[in-house]
Amino acid sequence: GENVEQHPSTLSVQEGDSAVIKCTYSDSASNYFPWYKQELGKRPQLIIDIRSNVGEKKDQRIAVTLNKTAKHFSLHITETQPEDSAVYFCAASSGGGADGLTFGKGTHLIIQP
Amino acid sequence: NAGVTQTPKFRVLKTGQSMTLLCAQDMNHEYMYWYRQDPGMGLRLIHYSVGEGTTAKGEVPDGYNVSRLKKQNFLLGLESAAPSQTSVYFCASSYRVGRGEAFFGQGTRLTVV
Repeated sequence: GENVEQHPSTLSVQEGDSAVIKCTYSDSASNYFPWYKQELGKRPQLIIDIRSNVGEKKDQRIAVTLNKTAKHFSLHITETQPEDSAVYFCAASSGGGADGLTFGKGTHLIIQP
Repeated sequence: NAGVTQTPKFRVLKTGQSMTLLCAQDMNHEYMYWYRQDPGMGLRLIHYSVGEGTTAKGEVPDGYNVSRLKKQNFLLGLESAAPSQTSVYFCASSYRVGRGEAFFGQGTRLTVV
């Protein structure tokens, strides 16, 4: 099955700086890569996703890049703000047979004032 | 619309007791999932369903059973609870994996003593 590795497990950045979280996946058939944000005590919520036919996608201060050859994808957050503090999860799925999303172990992003 | 609703939100069980967690979605989604979340382990798939009357095993199915008798409901059962099943359980649903967002319920915090 799919295996998703996520790094780093904790990331501390100064407010206003950029943050980058990286993930690798093992199944070359995976074609859907979402990112979820989970605030303390809350449910995970989708912040951005990318499909295998696209190399990059942006949504305001958030961007995701995908390198299918290397089987890795990254989340980029620019101009970080205190409300960006949360745990971020990457995930991968091959769709089709739908065995669900395989998640990375998460990155705790801390924005230092 | 309520989205995805889980019942109950909290529960304490004694070892060996049984219980059922209920997940209900009002978005007419085909796919439903049960995940467990443990510190440092991310979200791990327990069981999933690709439609009414279907169920399939995920990454960590042992000790759990599921049923999907109605499209909008997905039940997770613990027949004989063990302390290792202490966790936060999340239900999620999606139209199709790879074709849109997976929406999560608010979570159920289960403690087995």
